[in-house]
Amino acid sequence: GAVVSQHPSWVICKSGTSVKIECRSLDFQATTMFWYRQFPKQSLMLMATSNEGSKATYEQGVEKDKFLINHASLTLSTLTVTSAHPEDSSFYICSARDSVGLPLHFGNGTRLTVT
Amino acid sequence: GQQVMQIPQYQHVQEGEDFTTYCNSSTTLSNIQWYKQRPGGHPVFLIQLVKSGEVKKQKRLTFQFGEAKKNSSLHITATQTTDVGTYFCAFTGTYKYIFGTGTRLKVLA
Repeated sequence: GAVVSQHPSWVICKSGTSVKIECRSLDFQATTMFWYRQFPKQSLMLMATSNEGSKATYEQGVEKDKFLINHASLTLSTLTVTSAHPEDSSFYICSARDSVGLPLHFGNGTRLTVT
Repeated sequence: GQQVMQIPQYQHVQEGEDFTTYCNSSTTLSNIQWYKQRPGGHPVFLIQLVKSGEVKKQKRLTFQFGEAKKNSSLHITATQTTDVGTYFCAFTGTYKYIFGTGTRLKVLA
């Protein structure tokens, strides 16, 4: 089945630094990738949708300049949390689908802790 | 924007009991998907329903899409400890997937 690899699985960083999270589709071409954020015991909140080669579409309330998304190829999307603060600590999950519109396949998620 | 509510928010059942979670939308949905997320894990796709009134089964799991395509349910017969996790419904909005609020299931042995 379709595999999505997300790296790193966890990261601890100091307040003010930037963190980059990678999301790769290993065995299919991901024309669209989605980035979600999940707080403990809560649902997945869509942050942004990215299509290969174009700018990401951010959901209302998500700061574009803080959460930089790049989808440079059909197999790789990155989310960079810039100038991280403790309130950015969360579980970030990417997901991807191909042009056929298969159901979403998720990466394993990245647990970010900002100290 | 579109919202999908799930009830109940939490459910504790004794192993062997049945379990049902309901997904309700204020608008008509083109499709509904169900995902399961184990504690500490990521969501895993279970099934997709597209047709009005559609019913699909996967072993002990039965999925149903309402006639008006505004609600859906997931029923688990004779729960097992391996069923523990959070069950999310999701639908495809305008080029994006929106997740329901989720139902967390705990199965007591």
